[in-house]
Amino acid sequence: DVVMTQTPVSLSVSLGGQVSISCRSSQSLVHNNGNTYLSWYLQKPGQSPQLLIYKVSNRFSGISDRFSGSGSGTDFTLKISRVEPDDLGVYYCGQGTQYPTFGSGTKLEIK
Amino acid sequence: EVQLVETGGGLVQPGRSLKLSCVASGFTFNNYWMSWTRQAPGKGLEWVASITNSGGSTYYPDSVKGRFTISRDNAQNTLYLQMNSLRSEDTATYYCTRGDWAYWGQGVMVTVSS
Repeated sequence: DVVMTQTPVSLSVSLGGQVSISCRSSQSLVHNNGNTYLSWYLQKPGQSPQLLIYKVSNRFSGISDRFSGSGSGTDFTLKISRVEPDDLGVYYCGQGTQYPTFGSGTKLEIK
Repeated sequence: EVQLVETGGGLVQPGRSLKLSCVASGFTFNNYWMSWTRQAPGKGLEWVASITNSGGSTYYPDSVKGRFTISRDNAQNTLYLQMNSLRSEDTATYYCTRGDWAYWGQGVMVTVSS
């Protein structure tokens, strides 16, 4: 199984600030077809997860450009700029290159 | 608008069975793989099962292989999860997800307890 390690476990940010979340995989996420199936999700309190970013850096429909994804191979980052109150929740990375696995989550709190 | 609506959850005793359903709308169901993903109370996400768009192939992690069966009825735009020999560690909210993980249902709670 591909193990996804997310850091930090939690972080607190002021409104308008910027944060970065790291996600590392135990194996390369480059698929045989050349794509890298690394996604980011946000689970707001009491809600289902929602897709933010797919294939490392592609924003899903309707997702603000304040969210950006980067990385390659085994090392990936989600950046959130100009943090807003609605951004609070738990962020998960997930991979679909092999049987799907997810990171353990990063809880974002607003100061 | 894409919608995934799960039903069938509830309280069940260890060793018993339960079948979840997910009705999909707003997209061409038979064009997509579909999956089930679960989340134990206060925990993270765990993939449970996937099925190809035709239903011809299915995939499971070791934690449920041999106990859970995913299936689909493309004529009814419905996804199923048959769960047998349930254990306390299967207690979770179960989400129906489109195969590209772009859409998730609201989730249905399954509690395995005597």
